[in-house]
Amino acid sequence: SYVVTQPPSVSVAPGQTATITCGGNNIGSKSVHWYQLRPGQAPKLVISYDNDRPSGIPERISGSNFGNTATLTISRVEARDEADYFCQFWDSSADLPVFGGGTKLTVL
Amino acid sequence: EVELVQSGGGLAQPGGTLRLSCAASNFDFSDSAMGWVRQAPGKGLEWVSAISARGRATFHAVSVEGRFTISRDNSKSTLSLEMNRLRVEDTAMYYCVRGELSTVIKVFLSWGQGTLVTVSS
Repeated sequence: SYVVTQPPSVSVAPGQTATITCGGNNIGSKSVHWYQLRPGQAPKLVISYDNDRPSGIPERISGSNFGNTATLTISRVEARDEADYFCQFWDSSADLPVFGGGTKLTVL
Repeated sequence: EVELVQSGGGLAQPGGTLRLSCAASNFDFSDSAMGWVRQAPGKGLEWVSAISARGRATFHAVSVEGRFTISRDNSKSTLSLEMNRLRVEDTAMYYCVRGELSTVIKVFLSWGQGTLVTVSS
């Protein structure tokens, strides 16, 4: 089965830039989506199809996907960005969706 | 704004049964594939089940195949998950999700607030 890797945790000071990666063999050939999970709130799609922002998601949240790494970038980090972030893509060989293990973003 | 309001869940014994429901509003329910995703305590997200827009095709993760049944009632804009022969490892927060397409869910556009299922003796 396809192996996808996310760092368990990322820490960043307010106002700085957070980078969360999602690694996998030639993941750049897949469409990667990102979800934000905050305690007590419904999960939210923050980036779809590598770099599209759904309505209501601020421009300081962006995505990219090249080679073996997809990346979620959050600029000018705020306290409200503290959450777990999961990457996800469609595994066409198995015909099912696959999630990364998740990354906990801590705002210092 | 899309709303997915979940109900059901709770505590069940191993081997028991629970039913989850999800009431959808503010989008064309009958045009969207729907499904369920879960998160066990301290673990990551796991896709569980999906159903096509008309309900003609259903899909289940290997871990729940033969025990869980997903269904929908388009006349009432509701989604259900019947969970039988529950195991301790089914303990998780379960989320109702909406897909972008009518056939399969390749991206999870909207999520419910979650409902906790605990399987314990």
